[in-house]
Amino acid sequence: DILMTQSPDSLAVSLGERATINCQSSQSILLSSNNKNYLAWYQQKPGQPPKLLIYWASTRESGVPERFSGSGSGTDFTLTISSLQAEDVAVYYCQQYYSTLPLTFGGGTKVEIK
Amino acid sequence: QLQLQESGPGLVKPSETLSLTCTVSGGSISSSNYYWGWIRQPPGKGLEWIGSIYYSGSTYSNPSLKSRVTISTDTSKDQFSLKLSSVTAADTAVYYCARQTKGTGILYYFDYWGQGTLVTVSS
Repeated sequence: DILMTQSPDSLAVSLGERATINCQSSQSILLSSNNKNYLAWYQQKPGQPPKLLIYWASTRESGVPERFSGSGSGTDFTLTISSLQAEDVAVYYCQQYYSTLPLTFGGGTKVEIK
Repeated sequence: QLQLQESGPGLVKPSETLSLTCTVSGGSISSSNYYWGWIRQPPGKGLEWIGSIYYSGSTYSNPSLKSRVTISTDTSKDQFSLKLSSVTAADTAVYYCARQTKGTGILYYFDYWGQGTLVTVSS
């Protein structure tokens, strides 16, 4: 299994400030033949299902605000919220899809307002 | 707008079989571009992929659950279903159904999710 490790477990950021969430995979999830990283990011607000934010490590899903961006390659990835808004309070998960069996998620990072 | 809705019993006894159905509206599960998946989330914990199915019946399941998992489709009703046998308290979770993008022989990310349904395993 590809283990996905997120850090930190939680962080508190002031409104308007930058939030940075890290995700590390136990092996590379970069496919050299197409130069794509098989990583997605989701946002889950309390009582709601996860919402897709980013796929292919850096492609923003339609309708997702530009303040959300994904970066990284190989085994180390980052989700950045450039200017935290109150509605961004949520738990964020990464997911690898390089290996189907099984698909795996990170443990989640809780983002709160400082 | 695509919508997914889980349905099924909210309480299952230990050793019995958990059965859930996901009804898709605003689209068809017979699309060649997608798989349809089940993901669960124990209370206060993270996400675990259970398995996914193509409209033709091709399935992938998490090896950790595979011996207990059965996923099926009913394309005439735009529904897909999950059966999880021999449940224990550890199977208590919110169960989500979701649409999953796909490549050739590989499953990708989940772009539409149902609201989820809490299933509690208890006598």
